[in-house]
Amino acid sequence: AQSVTQPDIHITVSEGASLELRCNYSYGATPYLFWYVQSPGQGLQLLLKYFSGDTLVQGIKGFEAEFKRSQSSFNLRKPSVHWSDAAEYFCAVGARSGNTPLVFGKGTRLSVIA
Amino acid sequence: GAVVSQHPSWVICKSGTSVKIECRSLDFQATTMFWYRQFPKQSLMLMATSNEGSKATYEQGVEKDKFLINHASLTLSTLTVTSAHPEDSSFYICSARSGLAAQGVGELFFGEGSRLTVL
Repeated sequence: AQSVTQPDIHITVSEGASLELRCNYSYGATPYLFWYVQSPGQGLQLLLKYFSGDTLVQGIKGFEAEFKRSQSSFNLRKPSVHWSDAAEYFCAVGARSGNTPLVFGKGTRLSVIA
Repeated sequence: GAVVSQHPSWVICKSGTSVKIECRSLDFQATTMFWYRQFPKQSLMLMATSNEGSKATYEQGVEKDKFLINHASLTLSTLTVTSAHPEDSSFYICSARSGLAAQGVGELFFGEGSRLTVL
């Protein structure tokens, strides 16, 4: 069965500190992986995606993620967090095409303190 | 990039009434749209897959008679919550997949979401 696990429900980091949000997946085929961010009461914004090729993917807002097939992981990182990064982050897995939706993790809420 | 628009963004209704939420793909044609529901502080749960010109496919546990989905054109899918009750209060998000490589094969574009509050 397809599933995404985000082990951390809530993470608090200091502004300027580095960040890593964990994501593990279970998928029957070659996974295509995504990270989305959601601010309170807002829709989803795509941060980055991995389809193939270089396993280190660069996204918007200074985020990056690394696909590690051996660990079934796609962790999101940012070297220096800004207060505006406080939001909910969702990892998702899906197929490249066809009538298939994405499967989402439960999300990790990021709080940023001064 | 591709844009998906939802309307209304917010809706408050009385228990027992019906509410229609629209999802439009603004600059691409979407033969398939997906409807998700998100309860407070929870993840997105797929409700149904909307297919243009055919019946929607509902996930297990989602009442098809309560959540009516119509995908009458390649740019519009509607979700109608019939006889809404307070437990239907949620954030409903639609998404659409563009079939054009230039817009990102495999990427789902999400609407801004519609927050339904049933009194």
